[in-house]
Amino acid sequence: DAGITQSPRHKVTETGTPVTLRCHQTENHRYMYWYRQDPGHGLRLIHYSYGVKDTDKGEVSDGYSVSRSKTEDFLLTLESATSSQTSVYFCAISPGRQVSLNTEAFFGQGTRLTVV
Amino acid sequence: SQQGEEDPQALSIQEGENATMNCSYKTSINNLQWYRQNSGRGLVHLILIRSNEREKHSGRLRVTLDTSKKSSSLLITASRAADTASYFCATDPLGGGTSYGKLTFGQGTILTVHP
Repeated sequence: DAGITQSPRHKVTETGTPVTLRCHQTENHRYMYWYRQDPGHGLRLIHYSYGVKDTDKGEVSDGYSVSRSKTEDFLLTLESATSSQTSVYFCAISPGRQVSLNTEAFFGQGTRLTVV
Repeated sequence: SQQGEEDPQALSIQEGENATMNCSYKTSINNLQWYRQNSGRGLVHLILIRSNEREKHSGRLRVTLDTSKKSSSLLITASRAADTASYFCATDPLGGGTSYGKLTFGQGTILTVHP
């Protein structure tokens, strides 16, 4: 497995509380992504990063923020968790086009978040 | 809306049979990738096909790409019970800037291979 660690792996939180999920990589890859997976929707991109302090929104970014202060860490924050954010969250990494024009993504094992 | 749409949503076959899954997408791509996901696990990359390629093989996997129809298919030959998983196509959009690397996934095909 690529060196990607997500933490926590499982979390139950109450509506309205802030939650931060962490993705840590040891591959020194430039690109990092946060996806959420829900039945009937596949994987949807929340935010991604193309370098330290460089981030961009995905298709379902509302209610989420991210930060990347180091190459190896990409944090996803739910400012005020809602029940609609109950999901499985996946982090992914990719080397980027500086390495190859065609590169695959490597995924973490996922974080199962339940908002009650 | 999802860039990639897989068809069928679910496929049930016997061991030894071939499994074919299809993916359609909407915008121009740099490449198309297929991933596999076992229950409760992360996605694992299977194969990547570039936009200028029409067919690619990897072991028991065969992928085709038709950019004129914006579609791809994944064929798994001589399937095994261990192939039971969800399979997703993902498109890497053409273009630079912030569009790079934004892999867009379809909803997936759930494949069940019966022993």
